[in-house]
Amino acid sequence: AQKVTQAQTEISVVEKEDVTLDCVYETRDTTYYLFWYKQPPSGELVFLIRRNSFDEQNEISGRYSWNFQKSTSSFNFTITASQVVDSAVYFCALSEAGGYSTLTFGKGTMLLVSP
Amino acid sequence: DTAVSQTPKYLVTQMGNDKSIKCEQNLGHDTMYWYKQDSKKFLKIMFSYNNKELIINETVPNRFSPKSPDKAHLNLHINSLELGDSAVYFCASSPLPGQGAQLFDTIYFGEGSWLTVV
Repeated sequence: AQKVTQAQTEISVVEKEDVTLDCVYETRDTTYYLFWYKQPPSGELVFLIRRNSFDEQNEISGRYSWNFQKSTSSFNFTITASQVVDSAVYFCALSEAGGYSTLTFGKGTMLLVSP
Repeated sequence: DTAVSQTPKYLVTQMGNDKSIKCEQNLGHDTMYWYKQDSKKFLKIMFSYNNKELIINETVPNRFSPKSPDKAHLNLHINSLELGDSAVYFCASSPLPGQGAQLFDTIYFGEGSWLTVV
C-alpha cells in the first residue's frame, strides 16, 4: 500500500524567509508519480508539479524548487523568499503507475507567511 | 473556460435530505473522480470512472451513488444525508487511459463543493 507523510502540520514564517516543506512517501512500485498541490484559503486545489520515479533531477520554477531523493523516499518543496500570497495548505501526493491509479495525499502542511 | 466545473459550490441542507453535486469537464479526459476533503483537510479518493464505467469505489457508503451519463460528466448523488457527510467534495479528471500501464498524467481538480449538513 502507498502512503505519504507530511510531518509538518503547520509552519509559520516571516516574509522573505526561505521555507522547506517535507514529504516522505512509501510505495512498493518501481514506477510511480509524485505531486505537489497548493490549496489557498479560497479552497481550490492548484497543481504545482509532477515528477516520475525515473527522474531524480531537481526542479526549479521561479521561487519554487523541488528536491526528489529516491534514497530517502523524499520529495521536498522549498519556497525561496516567501511571500504572503504563499500562505496556503500544501499537499504532497503519490500515484502508482498502472491503468487506474489514483492519488494518495499526505495530510497537508499549512504555511502561514506573515508580513 | 473552466476545465472542471462543479455545481453547486456551496450547499447547506438538513439531515435526511437527498442532494446531488454535478461535475463536468471540457478537457476531453477519459477518467473522472470524486475526492472528499474532511474537516481536518484530509483528501481521499471516493470514486473513479473511466469512460462512464465505475473502476474504483473506496468503500464509500451506499448512500453515495455516482452517475456518469457520459464521459464528460460525473455527478454525485447522496441519499439520507448525515452530519458526517459535511465536507468539501472535489471532482477531478485526468487523461488516464484504460487498461494497461500508460504514462500517468496530471489530475485536474474542480473548485470544490462545500457541503454542510445541519
